[in-house]
Amino acid sequence: QPALTQPPSASGSPGQSVTISCTGTSSDVGTYNLVSWYQQHPGGAPKLLISEVNKRPSGVPDRFSGSKSGNTASLTVSGLQAEDEADYYCSSKAGSNGYVFGTGTTVTVL
Amino acid sequence: QVQLQESGPGLVKPSGTLSLSCAVSGDSISRGNCWGWVRQPPGQGLEWIGDVCHTGTTTYNPSLMSRVTISVDRSKNQFSLTLSSMTAADTAIYYCARSPGWYRIDYWGQGTQVTVSS
Repeated sequence: QPALTQPPSASGSPGQSVTISCTGTSSDVGTYNLVSWYQQHPGGAPKLLISEVNKRPSGVPDRFSGSKSGNTASLTVSGLQAEDEADYYCSSKAGSNGYVFGTGTTVTVL
Repeated sequence: QVQLQESGPGLVKPSGTLSLSCAVSGDSISRGNCWGWVRQPPGQGLEWIGDVCHTGTTTYNPSLMSRVTISVDRSKNQFSLTLSSMTAADTAIYYCARSPGWYRIDYWGQGTQVTVSS
């Protein structure tokens, strides 16, 4: 299954907000409220930020929020901090084919 | 605290078979979770390989299905990945991971680099 589409990069100044989109199809994002978001710092493993479109695991700051409309999910990082500089990936249930990940977005804090 | 640790060869010859194991601590692989593998080629994004759930059900990425097997060893509380007919395109960091359901991955191993080269 083709990867979900994310913008290659996004940026913002400290304290600002940045929103990352994740576009799929009616076979994945559009049908299932099973979109997750992960943060990956260089050299590290991914970390779960959001599951089921908008649920934050314990310990994830409420600066991170998720939403979905149609075939597109979004992750918003509010109050950007230097530590938020990382790669971000979305994922979704892909029918009977398991998971599909997004192409990834590099967030830069200016 | 759940921890996952990958182990296996860092170098595989072209056309060879990759075998990786993932040792789980802090949880039992026989409980209600799924255990799987994700890889990341150099400088690229994440690719889901497949998983095996506590029921024994396996699900694989259709693009890899013909070459991949994921299995569990309950006596050792670990699970394994076998990927055959390796090519340079399979060079990647391989992560093992836990999914407690709802298509989310909440625990990841640190990752192990696998290079395909003669």
